Amino acid sequence: QSALTQPASVSGSPGQSITISCTGSGSDIGHYNYVSWYQQHPGKVPKLIIYGVTYRPSGLSSRFSGSKSGSSASLTISGLLAEDEADYYCCSYTTSGTLVFGTGTRVSVL
Amino acid sequence: QITLKESGPRLVEPTQTLTLTCSFSGFSLTTEGMGVGWVRQPPGKALEWLALIYWNGNTYYSPSLKSRLSITKDTSKNQVVLTLTNMDPVDTATYYCAHRDFGEYHFEYWGQGTLVTVS
Repeated sequence: QSALTQPASVSGSPGQSITISCTGSGSDIGHYNYVSWYQQHPGKVPKLIIYGVTYRPSGLSSRFSGSKSGSSASLTISGLLAEDEADYYCCSYTTSGTLVFGTGTRVSVL
Repeated sequence: QITLKESGPRLVEPTQTLTLTCSFSGFSLTTEGMGVGWVRQPPGKALEWLALIYWNGNTYYSPSLKSRLSITKDTSKNQVVLTLTNMDPVDTATYYCAHRDFGEYHFEYWGQGTLVTVS
């Protein structure tokens, strides 16, 4: 299985909204609503921010939202804050019963 | 409260076998639907999913590493063990274990990770 495809980097100014894409195939994103997103700050453990395409873990800011269309998923961060500067990874369940992560996106706050 | 912690060697020589242990609390791998997975991350690179073991003993492996990986569980000790054979410098990475909840395919709870260097 190939890694899901994400843009290497996305940037935005404070207060703006940005969207990170995650492209898979009919064997993963296109087949299930089991897409999750993780935020990882340098040297830190990945943190779950979206699961089941659109759901947020309890207590997580509503500035993070997820969506899916066909074999692609997206993560939108609204009202960008300096603390949102981090790496973001998508992940999907596959028809083989495995999981696959994305290539990762570095978000920069200008 | 779910917690996980990885343990094992920090340095492994090429061709050796890596054995990592994930010790967890706050859930049981005898409970239907529970699972523990492993994810690794080479320095400066992306996350890579490795393996998953379920409460019923079913196991799943990354296709690219399947021939070298093995995941087992010891429910009496609340531990999951990952072995990776024939280690190579490209296997240098931080290895994480994580909890999988009933009916879900994401990881909300992660261990702190352990850096394994192959040299």
